[in-house]
Amino acid sequence: EIVLTQSPGTLSLSPGERATLSCRASQSVSSNYLAWYQQNPGQAPRLLISGASSRATGIPDRFSGSGSGTDFTLTITRLEPEDFAVYYCQQYGSSTGYTFGQGTKLEIK
Amino acid sequence: QVQLQESGPGLVKPSQTLSLTCTVSGGSISSAGYYWNWIRQHPGKGLEWIGYIYYSGSTYYNPSLKSRVTISIDTSKKQFSLKLSSVTAADTAVYYCARNDVGDYAAAYWGQGTLVTVSS
Repeated sequence: EIVLTQSPGTLSLSPGERATLSCRASQSVSSNYLAWYQQNPGQAPRLLISGASSRATGIPDRFSGSGSGTDFTLTITRLEPEDFAVYYCQQYGSSTGYTFGQGTKLEIK
Repeated sequence: QVQLQESGPGLVKPSQTLSLTCTVSGGSISSAGYYWNWIRQHPGKGLEWIGYIYYSGSTYYNPSLKSRVTISIDTSKKQFSLKLSSVTAADTAVYYCARNDVGDYAAAYWGQGTLVTVSS
C-alpha cells in the first residue's frame, strides 16, 4: 500500500505570500495518478490539480502542481484570503484504489 | 453542470447496515466515461476512499472495507448506492459521493456530503 505523507501539518502564512505544500509517497507514483484538493470547513473537497500538474476547470493560475516519482508539490503564489483551507493530495493505485494524504492546514499568520 | 446529492439516514445503530444513495442530475450516469465513487471523512480527520462503480455495474472497493461494502447502480433512476454492513462507531463519518472521469484519476464533482452517526 502506498502511503502519502504531507508536510507541513500546518502552514502559517500571510495573504500575498507564497505557499509550498509537500506530498511524499512511500513508493513511486505515476504522475498521472496524483491529484490535489482544497477543502474548506463544512464543504466537500474541491479538485485543484490532476495528473500532478494539470489545473482543474476554473482553478486560478496561482495554483500549480509539480513533481514526480515520490515527491510532489502544490504551490500557491500570492495567497488570497480564500486560499486558507486544508489541502489533500491523493493517489491512485491499481491494487489499493485511491488513497489520500493526511492533509496540510494552511492558516492565516 | 452535473450535481450529486447524497441521501439516507443520519443515524444508524451499531451492527446494522448503513445505506446511502447518491442522485445524479445535470448529466448522464450511464455514460462509459465516468466512475462513481463513495468517499468518507471521519469527524475532524482526513479522507478515505470507500469504492467506486462503473455504469456497467463493475466495482472496485477499498481492500480495508471490502468485506463490508456493496456499491450498486440504478441507471434508470440516475442513482448509485452504498451499503456498509456491521457498522460500529468507527464508521461515523461524513459520506460523500463523487465522480471522476475515466482516465482522470481525480474526482472533479462531489456531493455536499451527509453525516452518518453510528450510535444506539
